[in-house]
Amino acid sequence: DAEITQSPRHKITETGRQVTLACHQTWNHNNMFWYRQDLGHGLRLIHYSYGVQDTNKGEVSDGYSVSRSNTEDLPLTLESAASSQTSVYFCASSEGETGYEQYFGPGTRLTVT
Amino acid sequence: GESVGLHLPTLSVQEGDNSIINCAYSNSASDYFIWYKQESGKGPQFIIDIRSNMDKRQGQRVTVLLNKTVKHLSLQIAATQPGDSAVYFCAETRYNNDMRFGAGTRLTVKP
Repeated sequence: DAEITQSPRHKITETGRQVTLACHQTWNHNNMFWYRQDLGHGLRLIHYSYGVQDTNKGEVSDGYSVSRSNTEDLPLTLESAASSQTSVYFCASSEGETGYEQYFGPGTRLTVT
Repeated sequence: GESVGLHLPTLSVQEGDNSIINCAYSNSASDYFIWYKQESGKGPQFIIDIRSNMDKRQGQRVTVLLNKTVKHLSLQIAATQPGDSAVYFCAETRYNNDMRFGAGTRLTVKP
């Protein structure tokens, strides 16, 4: 069955370190998204991609970057981790131009100490 | 500013009763509204959606109502079951897939 996976599921890192969170989907979806979820804020969009080599900034993109070299993967990199980036991160994917239904991964809990 | 929000952060209902979860939005340009369910420790799961040119849409035990006059969205769950206990998010899209989520309402179903 098609699915979307994230790794690691839990990560503890130190302030200033570079961290990369992986997202892999087998739906063959063009669109992929990264969100962070914090108590009281719901889900906020970090970056998104509409296809290979395409990336776009979301609502809270500062301190994060993504790259899309193939259809299946959209890794999220924290260039220099900060305590304010402690959060739960969700990756999602959807179909083409009419794909409003997003399929979410199980999430990665990141703690920056 | 533009936002998607929820009227109540928590809702407790008796098993078998109907549940109504409300959501307010401020951007009349949004063209699509979606409800997601998130169970503890899991990612959000799509429930139902509605286009901005519709007032009502029904699914299995769920109905979404859209009132564009007052910019209000609601999710009705019929015969609420313990498995419906979760956090429910409304979301809106303005530019294709750029989705904005509300803060969420926690639904608790009492046996």
